[in-house]
Amino acid sequence: GEDVEQSLFLSVREGDSSVINCTYTDSSSTYLYWYKQEPGAGLQLLTYIFSNMDMKQDQRLTVLLNKKDKHLSLRIADTQTGDSAIYFCARGGYNKLIFGAGTRLAVHP
Amino acid sequence: DAGVIQSPRHEVTEMGQEVTLRCKPISGHNSLFWYRQTMMRGLELLIYFNNNVPIDDSGMPEDRFSAKMPNASFSTLKIQPSEPRDSAVYFCASSLAGTAEEEQYFGPGTRLTVT
Repeated sequence: GEDVEQSLFLSVREGDSSVINCTYTDSSSTYLYWYKQEPGAGLQLLTYIFSNMDMKQDQRLTVLLNKKDKHLSLRIADTQTGDSAIYFCARGGYNKLIFGAGTRLAVHP
Repeated sequence: DAGVIQSPRHEVTEMGQEVTLRCKPISGHNSLFWYRQTMMRGLELLIYFNNNVPIDDSGMPEDRFSAKMPNASFSTLKIQPSEPRDSAVYFCASSLAGTAEEEQYFGPGTRLTVT
């Protein structure tokens, strides 16, 4: 995704919080998304946020959206080994999604 | 619901051979997407269809790649002739266009190895 950028790697200790960041350039999208890809599998929608919201919380997941700075983040509380995966940020646009390159989250004991 | 079905799950072929990847979208979905994932280039959108019509094929790498959607429940991605640089995981996804969330449902992918 040429206008959706993410850092490539994040390593956290089990039980800590993880914060995955994403920036984008096109602010016209109605929704922004976080997808999760586990090893050997396709992408699965984790959560999404409407563009006129600042925050969305869903159990251990918190999504923060700063429209002014075009910055989206995903916070995972109490990170577990099962959270190890690649996390993709995406924005919607004209019936298709523009994905970032993905952030590989590694959780270590 | 069975989800998006892709076949084969793994394909190993020799350079120059024709490869056909298949996808069955979720019943009722009207948009279908083909993606390619590699370590070097990440996830790339190759082409997508809406109501069986190709809408955007700007991501198709070159003329060796072609995709069809003859009906609402089936699509193919063909590579002819295949080259080693085509080795990747190819994902198919479907969605219900026109819904606010535009969630895409991904298949398990086809891992293609061209030797």
